[in-house]
Amino acid sequence: EVQLLESGGDLVQPGGSLRLSCAASGFTFSSFAMSWVRHAPGKGLEWVSTSSGNGDNTYYADSVKGRFTISRDNSENTLYLHMHSLRAEDTAIYYCAKDRRTLAGTEMDFWGQGTLVTVSS
Amino acid sequence: EIVLTQSPATLSVSPGERATFSCRASQAIDNNLAWYQQKPGQAPRLLIYEASTRATGIPARFSGSGSGTEFTLTISSLQPEDFAVYHCQQYDRWPLTFGGGTKVEI
Repeated sequence: EVQLLESGGDLVQPGGSLRLSCAASGFTFSSFAMSWVRHAPGKGLEWVSTSSGNGDNTYYADSVKGRFTISRDNSENTLYLHMHSLRAEDTAIYYCAKDRRTLAGTEMDFWGQGTLVTVSS
Repeated sequence: EIVLTQSPATLSVSPGERATFSCRASQAIDNNLAWYQQKPGQAPRLLIYEASTRATGIPARFSGSGSGTEFTLTISSLQPEDFAVYHCQQYDRWPLTFGGGTKVEI
């Protein structure tokens, strides 16, 4: 059974940093691209970032480019999102999601339950 | 960036009725579109990919159609558990984008 468990969400001040983690199990982690998607209050889903299976290729939304970094540890089956220079508009539930195919940038067939990031002074 | 526009924003229907809602892309995306269902307090669940292929375990009452810029999700006979928000997503090109969602309510 595929399981994705996010952690690391917290209340942080504007300009602060945070690292989110996503522990994966139930599938061959290194064979699939993985993504972060966020859901801000009252808004639609927003794709944040994707990492290819081996981590060599990464993609970012313009809204987070230069501030967020996606990485993965395939030996630990864990995906990360390093978040810096956080802004109020980054406040959202952050979901970790598995891409359905090996190719990065496709539909996402499994999602974690999310972790809440609140950016406020 | 490809903008996805979902309509209507809210759809009021009764159990047993048919529900149809749309997702329009600002540029042609072939059939590179997925649909997700999200219930309050839960993560999104993949329903449809490649515009019309049901994901594993998704009931046959859910169907998707369309290609290019116009897409439709149909629920043939609404069940109580189908009241939720439905999101479309394109993966034809970066950045991946989602529509604003359609809320299906009683």
